[in-house]
Amino acid sequence: AQSVTQLGSHVSVSEGALVLLRCNYSSSVPPYLFWYVQYPNQGLQLLLKYTSAATLVKGINGFEAEFKKSETSFHLTKPSAHMSDAAEYFCAVSGGSGSARQLTFGSGTQLTVLP
Amino acid sequence: GAVVSQHPSRVICKSGTSVKIECRSLDFQATTMFWYRQFPKQSLMLMATSNEGSKATYEQGVEKDKFLINHASLTLSTLTVTSAHPEDSSFYICSARGGGGEAYEQYFGPGTRLTVT
Repeated sequence: AQSVTQLGSHVSVSEGALVLLRCNYSSSVPPYLFWYVQYPNQGLQLLLKYTSAATLVKGINGFEAEFKKSETSFHLTKPSAHMSDAAEYFCAVSGGSGSARQLTFGSGTQLTVLP
Repeated sequence: GAVVSQHPSRVICKSGTSVKIECRSLDFQATTMFWYRQFPKQSLMLMATSNEGSKATYEQGVEKDKFLINHASLTLSTLTVTSAHPEDSSFYICSARGGGGEAYEQYFGPGTRLTVT
């Protein structure tokens, strides 16, 4: 069984400020972890993924996330927010093996960037 | 690469009618396709997983006779919402996974907004 908890359904930051979106996971097997971004009425775009290699993962658009096994966390950060970062962000976990690897999504965090 | 399209992007239908949504992998062969449903301001819920040439596997609570999934080729899967009702109104998103890629890699379509009146 696997699950994802995203703390904070809404996060607001000022343009240029640090972005921190929190994600905690639960998985009975070593997890693969993902962050996706969704703009209104669009599908999901992969920001970054952790697949048991380096624990600090860099993604697109200046985002990065750190896998912390002891804290079962995979928080998403960006040093300086841009107006174009305003969107919905989903953390997801993939457990199991082979074709059984499915994605379980968190409830999402709406990021607002204030001018 | 790894582009997935959905058609239509938006559809409005009357209660009791059926609607078909197409999901295509444009530049790779999708051995597995997933269908998700997303309610407003909520996360994606997996409805079913389909492998090319075989019957779809539905998640618990999803009516397979209402949500018909066909994955007849390596580039096309369809979701048909039969006898649609207003409560079926939602955003439906498909994703596709290629046979040559990592097992965890899913590429998402842009979604289809279904409104049943």
